[in-house]
Amino acid sequence: SQTIHQWPATLVQPVGSPLSLECTVEGTSNPNLYWYRQAAGRGLQLLFYSVGIGQISSEVPQNLSASRPQDRQFILSSKKLLLSDSGFYLCAWSVGGLGLILENEQFFGPGTRLTVL
Amino acid sequence: GQQVMQIPQYQHVQEGEDFTTYCNSSTTLSNIQWYKQRPGGHPVFLIQLVKSGEVKKQKRLTFQFGEAKKNSSLHITATQTTDVGTYFCAGRSFGNEKLTFGTGTRLTIIP
Repeated sequence: SQTIHQWPATLVQPVGSPLSLECTVEGTSNPNLYWYRQAAGRGLQLLFYSVGIGQISSEVPQNLSASRPQDRQFILSSKKLLLSDSGFYLCAWSVGGLGLILENEQFFGPGTRLTVL
Repeated sequence: GQQVMQIPQYQHVQEGEDFTTYCNSSTTLSNIQWYKQRPGGHPVFLIQLVKSGEVKKQKRLTFQFGEAKKNSSLHITATQTTDVGTYFCAGRSFGNEKLTFGTGTRLTIIP
């Protein structure tokens, strides 16, 4: 069966510090991968998605970046965190294939709750 | 760009009462999905609707997709405390590879 892992679960970082959040998927190959951010009590904002290794699409201009160094690994980074980067970061995957995003459900990881002070 | 709105933003109901959340898209959708997020948890897929006018049921939950494929609804009959959470719709437009999530409806149950 497929599983998705995110770490850390919680993180408190000072403004201006770097960030690295990691997401890994097991039990599937060539998944589509997504990073979302959810502000407190708000909806889901798509930040990045990827259909393959090294292929990243950015949805919102910001000081965050994403990388996919391996097929089932998705990393969210920042060089300098802002207060507004606080939120609940969710990684998700869906069935992929041949670079097309199929109309399948997305499976979410447990999330990382980031507080920037 | 595509926008997906949900109403109401919050809903408080007595246990046993019914609950409905409505989802409206600014563009015609190829399909729509519904997710539930328990407090402190992550979204979990509930169902996907594809056909115009489609209705699907899961026990006490009834999902509808509008004839014009621009709106959808989720109705819960006789709510229980386990129904607490935020319900999100998520739609995909034709030719758009991304899923756009709605703003969500947070349901709280008064025992």
